Order: sequence, then C-alpha cells, then structure tokens
Amino acid sequence: QPVLTQPPSASASLGASVTLTCTLSSGYSNYKVDWYQQRPGKGPRFVMRVGTGGIVGSKGDGIPDRFSVLGSGLNRYLTIKNIQEEDESDYHCGADHGSGSNFVLVFGGGTKLTVL
Amino acid sequence: EVQLVESGGGLVQPGGSLRLSCAASGFTFSSYEMNWVRQAPGKGLEWVSYISSSGSTIYYADSVKGRFTISRDNAKNSLYLQMNSLRAEDTAVYYCARGGLDTATDYWGQGTLVTVSS
Repeated sequence: QPVLTQPPSASASLGASVTLTCTLSSGYSNYKVDWYQQRPGKGPRFVMRVGTGGIVGSKGDGIPDRFSVLGSGLNRYLTIKNIQEEDESDYHCGADHGSGSNFVLVFGGGTKLTVL
Repeated sequence: EVQLVESGGGLVQPGGSLRLSCAASGFTFSSYEMNWVRQAPGKGLEWVSYISSSGSTIYYADSVKGRFTISRDNAKNSLYLQMNSLRAEDTAVYYCARGGLDTATDYWGQGTLVTVSS
C-alpha cells in the first residue's frame, strides 16, 4: 500500500499564496489523492481529489475558487491563493488502496498551515 | 445537505466495550460505502474499518481486527462500530466518513471522543 508524506508545517502571510505537497511512495504514481482541511476541534472537510491530470470530480461543498490542485509524478499539490485567516488549519491528504480482497485508506501525517 | 452525526463515545475502562453510531441524512445511504476513521489526540488520521454499501464486504485495520465490528442498517440510515477489549491506545476521536474504492472520501462527521482509561 502507498505511504503518503507531508511536511509537518507551512506558513504564509495574509493575502499571499502557498502550495502544500503530498508525496506518494515509489510505485504509486497513478494514485489519486484526496485533500482535507481540518480546523481546530472540527472534523475533516473534503477539499478535492487530485490525480496526475489535475482535479478529479468536484470540489467539496463551499470550497472557494482560491483552492486548486495539481498532480505530477509522485507529488500531489494543493495551492491556496489570497490566503485568509480562516484558511489556518491542518491539511491532510489521503488515498484509497484496494482490490477485490482488501481495502485500506492511508493518510499523510498532515501539514499545519499558519497564517502570518 | 449531507450530514453524518456520530454518537456513543465516552470514558471506558481498559478491557471494556462501547458501541458507536453514525446517523446519515441528505443522501441515499444504502448506495454508499462507509468507513470509520480515528484520530488520537494531537495525531494524524488512522483508518479503522470499511463496509460496502450492502454490508456484504468488510475490512479492518490490523490494529483493531478481532476486537472491533463494523455494521450498518440501511433501513435506519445508520452505521455502527462495536468496540470490544478496548485499550488505552484506542483513545481517539472517531469519525464516520463516506467513501470507498476509487471514490473520494467526501463527507465526514464531527466525531465522537472515546477515552480508554482507568
């Protein structure tokens, strides 16, 4: 099963842009990844799914146009433009892995985004 | 509006049992795969268990296999997690989440806290 790696922290100034990275382990370059936003004390909120061709399907409910994704090789990126205070959250990536005889959801360790 | 609402968490002694519930609304529950995912205090997300839309296919993480049982009642739009032989390391917020194989895990509940302590 894939391993997802995220840097533990990131920061950006109000109004700036930031790109968060989720890296799949070798051999899983065709996998799609889901991005989640988790505000303090809340459950994860689906942002969008990304593959090597970009977004897969639709954004999550109420996700603003400032959020976008890209996929390249083993990396899946989430970019937030014109950062607002409300974007300060933990961002997790996840992927499903399975076949006819098994299934698992795997998650990265999460990136804590601080808005300066 | 899709809603997932967990309940049943609480404080339990090591070796004890709890049954979590997740009430679903705003979508055709019987058409969707579901999962339980947990998050220990200050830690990341950990998948616990999966159940297919009909309930006929079930998978567990190795860490809970043999102790936890996932089930669903499509007539009641509800998902359950029976947790037995609880350990301190099971302490976490437990979330129900909609999603499955090659499908985005696109809706999550607000979670219910399970604390295993003497």
